[in-house]
Formats: sequence, structure tokens, C-alpha cells
Amino acid sequence: EPEVTQTPSHQVTQMGQEVILRCVPISNHLYFYWYRQILGQKVEFLVSFYNNEISEKSEIFDDQFSVERPDGSNFTLKIRSTKLEDSAMYFCASMVEGPYEQYFGPGTRLTVT
Amino acid sequence: DQQVKQNSPSLSVQEGRISILNCDYTNSMFDYFLWYKKYPAEGPTFLISISSIKDKNEDGRFTVFLNKSAKHLSLHIVPSQPGDSAVYFCAASVGYGNKLVFGAGTILRVKS
Repeated sequence: EPEVTQTPSHQVTQMGQEVILRCVPISNHLYFYWYRQILGQKVEFLVSFYNNEISEKSEIFDDQFSVERPDGSNFTLKIRSTKLEDSAMYFCASMVEGPYEQYFGPGTRLTVT
Repeated sequence: DQQVKQNSPSLSVQEGRISILNCDYTNSMFDYFLWYKKYPAEGPTFLISISSIKDKNEDGRFTVFLNKSAKHLSLHIVPSQPGDSAVYFCAASVGYGNKLVFGAGTILRVKS
């Protein structure tokens, strides 16, 4: 069964450093998402991406964040200068068409020290 | 942001009985509703969904009911099994990008 994959599973970085989180969505899906879950809080939406552009972004997704689909398979989230409060589980999701079910990857645990 | 609420933090049910998880929402623009199951340190796993134009959807042991006038949906699991023990999230889809808005989750414990 096709699944969303994410790498790395755990990333530790120092405050101010850049990180790139990687995702491989399900191959025939057209919509791509990043969500995050800070420990003890809700899963919250960051950004949606469709037709090679951002379709919607949340208030959290400021200029420090960017997304890219550099080729036909990968979808990346870059945080340019990490802050302590960026520590969270980051989930990638994809959807074949909308509205429909989104399938989530296993997540990347980002720890900013 | 309290657009999707799951008011019960936890639920404990005996194996074989019915589990009913509830969810309320405030945004009438939500057009699709989903239930996800999640284990610690894993991503949410899709369970079942329902379009806003329907009031019931069934898939095996899982049934989702939608009451639009009350802005309420529920997930019924019958019969409940110990392997169903997990955190269950209600989510709703809205907007051009179909972003999901999640509830806080309900921890379900099924006792054998």
C-alpha cells in the first residue's frame, strides 16, 4: 500500500541553524501539506501546496519557512533560522484531490537546542 | 482556535462494546470531516470520512454520523477491540487548499 515517507525521523539542531525536512508523498497525489504538533498541543496546519505553488498558509508560516517540490517526488519544508519554539513533530501529508482524505507520514521530530 | 472541539479527553470501554467519540464544530464552511487514529510518535492514520452533504458513512466496524444542524459528528466503533486503543482526532476540511483543522483528540482505552 502506498504511503507517505519522511526523513529524517529525528533532527536535532541549534537555534539559528537552517533545517530541511523531507517528504515523499504518495505518487499520484496532487495536494501536499505540512502540519506540526507541539508536545501536548493540537495538530496544526502550516501550509498547503498545489500545482507548484502555495495555496494557503497559516500565521505560523512566516518568512522563516519555505516549501519546495524540487522534482516529481520530493516535497521539502525549510526553516531558515530555527527558534526554540520550532521544536515539534512535523508531519507531511498528501491528498489525491480535494476535498478528500489526507494521508500523513510518520513525522519528523525536530528538537531545537 | 476552537473551531473543532473534542470535549472528552478520554474514554474507557469494555472490549466488545460500542465506543462513541464525539466532536463539535463551529465553522459552517467545513465541507469534509475525517477521523484519524494516532499512536505516540507516529503520524495520524486515516480511519473514515464524511462529506458535508451526507449524514452517515460506514466502513466495517466504524461509522461516522454527521448532524449539520447541531454542528456535531460522532464516530461509532462496534465492537470495540483492545487494538483500537489510541488517540482519536476529529478533523475538518476548509478552504481552497483543503487544510485540515484538528480537534484536541480523545484517548480511547478498550479494556479486555
